[in-house]
Amino acid sequence: SQQGEEDPQALSIQEGENATMNCSYKTSINNLQWYRQNSGRGLVHLILIRSNEREKHSGRLRVTLDTSKKSSSLLITASRAADTASYFCATAGGNNRLAFGKGNQVVVIP
Amino acid sequence: EPEVTQTPSHQVTQMGQEVILRCVPISNHLYFYWYRQILGQKVEFLVSFYNNEISEKSEIFDDQFSVERPDGSNFTLKIRSTKLEDSAMYFCASSEAQTGELFFGEGSRLTVL
Repeated sequence: SQQGEEDPQALSIQEGENATMNCSYKTSINNLQWYRQNSGRGLVHLILIRSNEREKHSGRLRVTLDTSKKSSSLLITASRAADTASYFCATAGGNNRLAFGKGNQVVVIP
Repeated sequence: EPEVTQTPSHQVTQMGQEVILRCVPISNHLYFYWYRQILGQKVEFLVSFYNNEISEKSEIFDDQFSVERPDGSNFTLKIRSTKLEDSAMYFCASSEAQTGELFFGEGSRLTVL
């Protein structure tokens, strides 16, 4: 089954630094999405990258997708304390389910 | 801005009791989902719903679970006889397209004692 799997490490960085998270998956996909979750809250969609795209930007976010390696990365530039959250990748295939990875906790220290 | 709303925000129940979690998806969305997240763990897919029927379900979604869209606006998840391991945060989501962006509610925390 399709499953996003982030690198499990937690990230702790200083405000202003960049944060990078990685995600790998196992099967073919239509698209890959990144979500953010603040503690105890719902997930919020950040960005979607299609399988025929290699890179996408949205504000301070940059996502890359390497379908040959079945991996994606999310870069948050110039991090802020408000970026402190868990970040999940999720893969969408031909079926009607989005499969989420374990999440990567990011702490931005002011 | 349209949003997905869920009720209750927190429910405490005894093992073996029935629970109904309610969701109001975004009005022009066609695809509806339930996910759950056990504390500190990954977000697990339960079921997707389209055109008034289940389109996908996971192995977690056994005979104890059911979903309904009773009135064209609400989307409910029923757990017939709750177990301790059903304790989790349950998230409802909706989307316009089958593999598009999901809009999540804030979740219903279920505690089974």
